[in-house]
Amino acid sequence: AQSVTQLDSQVPVFEEAPVELRCNYSSSVSVYLFWYVQYPNQGLQLLLKYLSGSTLVESINGFEAEFNKSQTSFHLRKPSVHISDTAEYFCAVSEPGNTGKLIFGQGTTLQVKP
Amino acid sequence: GAVVSQHPSRVICKSGTSVKIECRSLDFQATTMFWYRQFPKQSLMLMATSNEGSKATYEQGVEKDKFLINHASLTLSTLTVTSAHPEDSSFYICSARSAGTYEQYFGPGTRLTVT
Repeated sequence: AQSVTQLDSQVPVFEEAPVELRCNYSSSVSVYLFWYVQYPNQGLQLLLKYLSGSTLVESINGFEAEFNKSQTSFHLRKPSVHISDTAEYFCAVSEPGNTGKLIFGQGTTLQVKP
Repeated sequence: GAVVSQHPSRVICKSGTSVKIECRSLDFQATTMFWYRQFPKQSLMLMATSNEGSKATYEQGVEKDKFLINHASLTLSTLTVTSAHPEDSSFYICSARSAGTYEQYFGPGTRLTVT
């Protein structure tokens, strides 16, 4: 069975500092990987995804994540965070196939301080 | 593009009553819709997967007679919480996916409070 572990429940960081949110997964087959962001009392927005090809994927707002198959990781990074990046971040995994079910990690709260 | 709406955004109901939550894909055809439940400060738990025109597939531990899911068209799925109890209070989120894609688009969620 697949599972996702987000190692940090909360990550406090000062504005303009770099940040890394960690995500590890377990699966016996190849996977698709996703990062979603959730602002208070809202649904989830896709931040970035890895389906195939280049292991480094980027979002339009400066986040990037690297798929590392040997370490079964998909850590999310940003070199310089803004106050507006404060939110809950979820890593998710899906098996290629028809179901498209997503298995989510526990979430990481990113708190950006001025 | 790829907008998913949910209605209502918030609902308060009395214990023992039923509540219906709608999930609509506004600009694409959703062949598959998913219903999730999220408790405060926790992750999303998949409740069920529904394909248009067929019965929903429920995850283990989810009562299918309590959480009725209908996916009657390519743009609408409904979740009905029957005989609601305070422990059913939660944030319910739907997502939708079109055929041949792997990306799910999420609705804004519905906050259900059962008193």
